[in-house]
Amino acid sequence: DGGITQSPKYLFRKEGQNVTLSCEQNLNHDAMYWYRQDPGQGLRLIYYSQIVNDFQKGDIAEGYSVSREKKESFPLTVTSAQKNPTAFYLCASSIEDNTDTQYFGPGTRLTVL
Amino acid sequence: AQKITQTQPGMFVQEKEAVTLDCTYDTSDPSYGLFWYKQPSSGEMIFLIYQGSYDQQNATEGRYSLNFQKARKSANLVISASQLGDSAMYFCALRPSNFGNEKLTFGTGTRLTIIP
Repeated sequence: DGGITQSPKYLFRKEGQNVTLSCEQNLNHDAMYWYRQDPGQGLRLIYYSQIVNDFQKGDIAEGYSVSREKKESFPLTVTSAQKNPTAFYLCASSIEDNTDTQYFGPGTRLTVL
Repeated sequence: AQKITQTQPGMFVQEKEAVTLDCTYDTSDPSYGLFWYKQPSSGEMIFLIYQGSYDQQNATEGRYSLNFQKARKSANLVISASQLGDSAMYFCALRPSNFGNEKLTFGTGTRLTIIP
């Protein structure tokens, strides 16, 4: 089945540690995105990538880093520089067509202890 | 800058009734797309329906339809014959259509609860 997978579903980290969230898609989509969701709020864009080996900052990129070495994969690293990393993280992908609809993975809930 | 406003933080609706979720938007782009997503308690964002700014007709997808009023900058989601499984958060989102800008701007969402 085609889709977007994110792992792990729940992640706990100690303060000061970097952690990497996985996002993989087998939809052959060119573009991939990372969003952050805080309680009671909508999604905010962290980073996005339209093609392999290229990515752009979104609205809240500080304290995060990404890579796009393969079309299928877009991992997000939450660094120790991110002051409030506890949140729900959603990965999405889209194909360039007349709607550019973004399809989302199941999300990773990160808790910093 | 793009902005989405969803003024209903929560709604309670009787099962089998129709429900309208409000969404107003603000953009200076002449061409844009509007999206509705459903987020159940599991957390995944599920795409429901899309409306392009130049589409002549309101979008429909099964029990979902979009009441698009361009002059009023509103794009309300209508769910007909609501079911218990419709209980979830619903988000409206806006994306400019100019090339190279796929950024989605989301509203704060409406929590819909269907009462048996």
